[in-house]
Amino acid sequence: QSALTQPASVSGSPGQSITISCTGSSSDVGSYNFVSWYQQHPGKAPKLLIYEVTRRPSGVSDRFSGSKSGNTASLTISGIQAEDEADYHCCSYAGYSTVVFGGGTKLTVL
Amino acid sequence: DVQLVESGGGLVQPGGSLRLSCAVSGFTVSNNYMAWVRQAPGKGLEWVSVIYSGGNTYYAASVKDRFTITSDDSKNTLYLQMDSLRAEDTAVYYCARWATMIYFDYWGQGNLVTVSS
Repeated sequence: QSALTQPASVSGSPGQSITISCTGSSSDVGSYNFVSWYQQHPGKAPKLLIYEVTRRPSGVSDRFSGSKSGNTASLTISGIQAEDEADYHCCSYAGYSTVVFGGGTKLTVL
Repeated sequence: DVQLVESGGGLVQPGGSLRLSCAVSGFTVSNNYMAWVRQAPGKGLEWVSVIYSGGNTYYAASVKDRFTITSDDSKNTLYLQMDSLRAEDTAVYYCARWATMIYFDYWGQGNLVTVSS
């Protein structure tokens, strides 16, 4: 299966909101509400931010939110802070017990 | 506290083999879906393999017939046997719990595998 498509980088100033898109196909994002998002700081393991498109695990700030329309999922970070500078990865169930990730997006806080 | 501690990575020549281990504490491996995910240098995450609580296994096309995922109930440990390694298998390998087949909620610290002559 092909990787999901994310922008390579996004940037914003502290306090601004940014949105990261994640485009798949009718075989993955478009067929299942099993999209998740992960935050990864350099040299660290990924951390779950969002699951089932919109749900947040306990302990994750409500500044992080997710949505989906058709074959595209999105992660929005409101009021970005310096600590949000990291890589963000989307993920979708793709059927037949397989999973597909996006290429990752680097968020720079200006 | 949940912990996933990986070991077994390193440098191996093309065509060689390596076995990664992921020792789990805080939950029972055999009662969960467990997975391996890798990340090539400077690249995104790539799903590699999953093992179900019932023992069924699934693999990405890029590693099928070369990699084998297993678990040992007595040691509460997940394994990834990697054979016929190629340069493109060079990556940091993470073990993770695939919660209800929907998301990865617990991750190991990552283990670097380098395939080079």
